[in-house]
Amino acid sequence: DAGVIQSPRHEVTEMGQEVTLRCKPISGHDYLFWYRQTMMRGLELLIYFNNNVPIDDSGMPEDRFSAKMPNASFSTLKIQPSEPRDSAVYFCASRRGQENEKLFFGSGTQLSVL
Amino acid sequence: AQKVTQAQTEISVVEKEDVTLDCVYETRDTTYYLFWYKQPPSGELVFLIRRNSFDEQNEISGRYSWNFQKSTSSFNFTITASQVVDSAVYFCALTSYGQNFVFGPGTRLSVLP
Repeated sequence: DAGVIQSPRHEVTEMGQEVTLRCKPISGHDYLFWYRQTMMRGLELLIYFNNNVPIDDSGMPEDRFSAKMPNASFSTLKIQPSEPRDSAVYFCASRRGQENEKLFFGSGTQLSVL
Repeated sequence: AQKVTQAQTEISVVEKEDVTLDCVYETRDTTYYLFWYKQPPSGELVFLIRRNSFDEQNEISGRYSWNFQKSTSSFNFTITASQVVDSAVYFCALTSYGQNFVFGPGTRLSVLP
């Protein structure tokens, strides 16, 4: 079974540009999570979906961030316009079923906004 | 609110030493789940163990062992005879019904040859 697949692996962009991060969860997993990791704040949950529906987006920092899950096998996290403080590693994770199940993480996208 | 504390920011040991990583959690729920994840220098997050609140048995997996104590709200992780490949950031996490995963800040372990 393929794991959670994220693309791109690295993204370097200039301030003000739009950035789109992509995630393919593990087949059969009904929960999808987007996390951001920084040195200062550690691992922060941005948003999560259940059966393609956003359940909790309270972690999304501001309106510049948006996430979609058009189908069970694809999700995007978009930042428009990007700012240098958005530089971080963004992880996608998926899970099958309820809270006692472990999260499977993708390899992350290292985003640098110059 | 749920919270996970990993008081040790960084630990350095010499290869073959034993090392314990501390994890203290807070929750009001009676049913909850605790996890440990490893993040090696390559960056991915690797699942190590899951423990539910009703199972206080300690677990051993090779050189790894976990000590879960509800009385002190702790779920500590011990590596016996550490190796250089154990160098990583280790995260403790907590979740329960209707709650999101809450990760601790992580402990960076450096095992020196």
